[in-house]
Amino acid sequence: LAKTTQPISMDSYEGQEVNITCSHNNIATNDYITWYQQFPSQGPRFIIQGYKTKVTNEVASLFIPADRKSSTLSLPRVSLSDTAVYYCLVGSKGGNKLTFGTGTQLKVEL
Amino acid sequence: GAGVSQSPSNKVTEKGKDVELRCDPISGHTALYWYRQRLGQGLEFLIYFQGNSAPDKSGLPSDRFSAERTGESVSTLTIQRTQQEDSAVYLCASSLAQRLAYEQYFGPGTRLTVT
Repeated sequence: LAKTTQPISMDSYEGQEVNITCSHNNIATNDYITWYQQFPSQGPRFIIQGYKTKVTNEVASLFIPADRKSSTLSLPRVSLSDTAVYYCLVGSKGGNKLTFGTGTQLKVEL
Repeated sequence: GAGVSQSPSNKVTEKGKDVELRCDPISGHTALYWYRQRLGQGLEFLIYFQGNSAPDKSGLPSDRFSAERTGESVSTLTIQRTQQEDSAVYLCASSLAQRLAYEQYFGPGTRLTVT
């Protein structure tokens, strides 16, 4: 069961790039890394998922080093609406044990 | 199409009463998950259903908690003899089987308050 560690909180300003790192030292070979975003009083929402190297979509980029013991979610040019809690999730395709990280509260200001 | 729905959205109950929470997953999603989120805390995995396989119940916090799922549709989470520490938001999510642990779609949650 891969345990994850993230910073508790981060502050940024509109237009800045934000990088949130998740540590998962015990990640298994079959585990994928997924990031979710959660606004108050809502369920989490999928942002991005990857296995290794770099993945990019219209919302974010995910950087995964070769050893896969950590991953970095990169949000380009954040806005106030990006203020939310971001969770790192590590789990395997064939398994059913899913672990959410502690979550990082991102606060974006003007 | 419709997303994951949960009912009720809010439930206030007295300590010692039983409660039943309902989750309607996205049609065609064979995997269904229940999570618990206490105020200001992260998500705690409770139980997972995959198709007609026996669910993994190892995340349930005590034997007062149980969950059922009818085929690949509705699921109910039952908490018997509720305690104040059961107060939390209970979130349900579903996903396509082949996308297990990938993209989960969450419902809005049921906020349970035990008085």
